[in-house]
Amino acid sequence: AQTVTQSQPEMSVQEAETVTLSCTYDTSESDYYLFWYKQPPSRQMILVIRQEAYKQQNATENRFSVNFQKAAKSFSLKISDSQLGDAAMYFCAYRSIIQGAQKLVFGQGTRLTINP
Amino acid sequence: ETGVTQTPRHLVMGMTNKKSLKCEQHLGHNAMYWYKQSAKKPLELMFVYNFKEQTENNSVPSRFSPECPNSSHLFLHLHTLQPEDSALYLCASSQDGTVNEKLFFGSGTQLSVL
Repeated sequence: AQTVTQSQPEMSVQEAETVTLSCTYDTSESDYYLFWYKQPPSRQMILVIRQEAYKQQNATENRFSVNFQKAAKSFSLKISDSQLGDAAMYFCAYRSIIQGAQKLVFGQGTRLTINP
Repeated sequence: ETGVTQTPRHLVMGMTNKKSLKCEQHLGHNAMYWYKQSAKKPLELMFVYNFKEQTENNSVPSRFSPECPNSSHLFLHLHTLQPEDSALYLCASSQDGTVNEKLFFGSGTQLSVL
């Protein structure tokens, strides 16, 4: 079974600086999808970014980018120019590409605080 | 606003009560999900419905009973719950359940079982 590990329960960063959240996963599959979701105090999970494992190029979405290291099974999220609105819980998630597999496996989450 | 609405936002119930959680999506999606978010634990998938048919039950105890009368509505019926069932219950939807889809989540129901 796949597992996802986020080793940083909490992180903090100064506003306008850059922060990197770590995520590692364990799988025997060669193709899969990886996601970062954000959960602000409103509790609504919001997709931040996603990465297809067969793509070598790292995904980017504005100030958010990932460092995907397939061999190391690592999928970190970099937030540049941090803003107060980035404060939230961040969850890394894995999804199998096997037809019919619908389970997103989540990590434990990292609580990100932005210091003004 | 992501188009997925959950009610109630908070719920306190005794172990002998029967209550229901409601989820409604206005996105025209065909797949709907129930997730459980407990303190200090990863989100756990509970149930998946595709085109109103249940396609996944992640070994959930029978005291949780899902119902999907149509593609827009999803219920979670609760009865004889235990205190350890206290958690945030999140509903989500996606277009048709394919692997690379974006899930749209509601704001959840915070459940406390006394």
